[in-house]
Amino acid sequence: ETGVTQSPTHLIKTRGQQVTLRCSSQSGHNTVSWYQQALGQGPQFIFQYYREEENGRGNFPPRFSGLQFPNYSSELNVNALELDDSALYLCASSRVPGDGYTFGSGTRLTVV
Amino acid sequence: GENVEQHPSTLSVQEGDSAVIKCTYSDSASNYFPWYKQELGKGPQLIIDIRSNVGEKKDQRIAVTLNKTAKHFSLHITETQPEDSAVYFCAASKNYGQNFVFGPGTRLSVLP
Repeated sequence: ETGVTQSPTHLIKTRGQQVTLRCSSQSGHNTVSWYQQALGQGPQFIFQYYREEENGRGNFPPRFSGLQFPNYSSELNVNALELDDSALYLCASSRVPGDGYTFGSGTRLTVV
Repeated sequence: GENVEQHPSTLSVQEGDSAVIKCTYSDSASNYFPWYKQELGKGPQLIIDIRSNVGEKKDQRIAVTLNKTAKHFSLHITETQPEDSAVYFCAASKNYGQNFVFGPGTRLSVLP
């Protein structure tokens, strides 16, 4: 067991819709990062939260947003879904930025 | 920004042989280099990492070497086993892991 749980495991949405993906980190992990992994590619950094504040952002548009909660859970929200948003979304957590990250198994999002 | 290249994209070895995967990075400010193993349907799993103040690190059958001058680092797996078959990703980051830039991955197949 990785200690990082993501839900749902699979999701199908229609172009233009909004989606919320959830991540539950293990206790004490104050840092959470979200990555997008397209098929056959390496993960790409979306953003990181540390103690409920955004702590860095990759090259993703503002329609990708996030939240981190005091109970070590977090959300990734994507508005106005596009076909290219179809990917595996990964959540990774650690105690502090710079510690080794533990990844969840991801949410497979398909936009049709 | 940082760019990470990884070679080869696919690698097949006989059980018991060694496997070597090489990565290069572009940003001389990068100082943390983890390697992840990803099995089908799972998130990436950290297998070894190295920081820029160290040239080599070993953990049982796995070792990583770093050449800061040439800006490349390599993963070495000895005595390969069928369960080593997976996709391996290298990554680089500044600030010891605020965000990772991943390579495109190497699909390793260990043939029995």
